[in-house]
Amino acid sequence: DGGITQSPKYLFRKEGQNVTLSCEQNLNHDAMYWYRQDPGQGLRLIYYSQIVNDFQKGDIAEGYSVSREKKESFPLTVTSAQKNPTAFYLCASSPRDNEQFFGPGTRLTVL
Amino acid sequence: DQQVKQNSPSLSVQEGRISILNCDYTNSMFDYFLWYKKYPAEGPTFLISISSIKDKNEDGRFTVFLNKSAKHLSLHIVPSQPGDSAVYFCAASARSGGADGLTFGKGTHLIIQP
Repeated sequence: DGGITQSPKYLFRKEGQNVTLSCEQNLNHDAMYWYRQDPGQGLRLIYYSQIVNDFQKGDIAEGYSVSREKKESFPLTVTSAQKNPTAFYLCASSPRDNEQFFGPGTRLTVL
Repeated sequence: DQQVKQNSPSLSVQEGRISILNCDYTNSMFDYFLWYKKYPAEGPTFLISISSIKDKNEDGRFTVFLNKSAKHLSLHIVPSQPGDSAVYFCAASARSGGADGLTFGKGTHLIIQP
């Protein structure tokens, strides 16, 4: 089955801890993206990567980090520097210059 | 400053009638527009897109209209069905397909009444 998987679906973190969200795709897409959604808001771009070993900051990259060591994987680390990390995080992938397809999301709650 | 605006947080439409969802944008560099449908606690699902070289794109019950001079686009759903109840997001990009990432509106919650 081709698709985008995100794990875990729910994640709890203590304040001050780093946490890594997983995103994997087996669609052979070149580009991958991370967005966050807050209640009543649209999605906001955190980071994106158009090819392996390369990535760019989006609109709200502060307090986050990413890596793209493999085409299939684009993990997002939420660091302790992120002031308000509680949100719904969505990963997407896309063939070159084509529509983005989204994973099911991870809900992160900071306790 | 919001570059993509969906001014109606919610819209209620009777089953079988037309649903019209509106979206305005301010960035003149946007040249590719998309509509996504989203259920709670799930990822958005792509519905339909339109390039700025067109003013209309149709796919089954869904039609998107683009008015570049007014920086306005709309999504028409005809006829509306109960399964269409969801939040609809308008998104825009300055590059075809959104290769550099998409800018989203805040969404419109569409409710289809039986």
